[in-house]
Amino acid sequence: SQQGEEDPQALSIQEGENATMNCSYKTSINNLQWYRQNSGRGLVHLILIRSNEREKHSGRLRVTLDTSKKSSSLLITASRAADTASYFCATDKEGAQKLVFGQGTRLTINP
Amino acid sequence: DAGVIQSPRHEVTEMGQEVTLRCKPISGHNSLFWYRQTMMRGLELLIYFNNNVPIDDSGMPEDRFSAKMPNASFSTLKIQPSEPRDSAVYFCATTAGLLDQPQHFGDGTRLSIL
Repeated sequence: SQQGEEDPQALSIQEGENATMNCSYKTSINNLQWYRQNSGRGLVHLILIRSNEREKHSGRLRVTLDTSKKSSSLLITASRAADTASYFCATDKEGAQKLVFGQGTRLTINP
Repeated sequence: DAGVIQSPRHEVTEMGQEVTLRCKPISGHNSLFWYRQTMMRGLELLIYFNNNVPIDDSGMPEDRFSAKMPNASFSTLKIQPSEPRDSAVYFCATTAGLLDQPQHFGDGTRLSIL
């Protein structure tokens, strides 16, 4: 089964609104990463948050990590049409030398 | 800066044919990952290399799949013989380091086996 699972699977909002996506995982991690994928393209790294960090910001992106609940959230503020994409979380399960990606959240920003 | 370069971008071939996918990593990156993405199974890690050495190939589905990294600037993923269920988008990603650094993805090869 997937280590990381995103919720919701799909999200559609109006331009200018905030979008929140969640990721839950099962085992202890060293870090968690968020990626974006535009249609027909490869994944693009957004933010890496380490297990000893609780929150990180990058521009309009805010990521939180709650290791006690084994969950993370990605907030995109003041969304734009260009934010339309799929968003994935990826975790490095402790003891496993690889990243495991979730199934992703498909975000649609309506103009 | 040139990113990860994959070729071909699209490949359509008949069942039973040999397929070779190519990847040129970002210069200086010492870890390379091959992934497969499908609607049903999402993004799956097939194999990864560190300093040109295969570290984990447990994701390679069958003996029909093989991967090589003869030097730091080139890797191939080969499928022989190909089957319709191999149809997917195959991504190569590289990183400087291993799991504590962001991965940089190519734009993938969309493979269709008829």
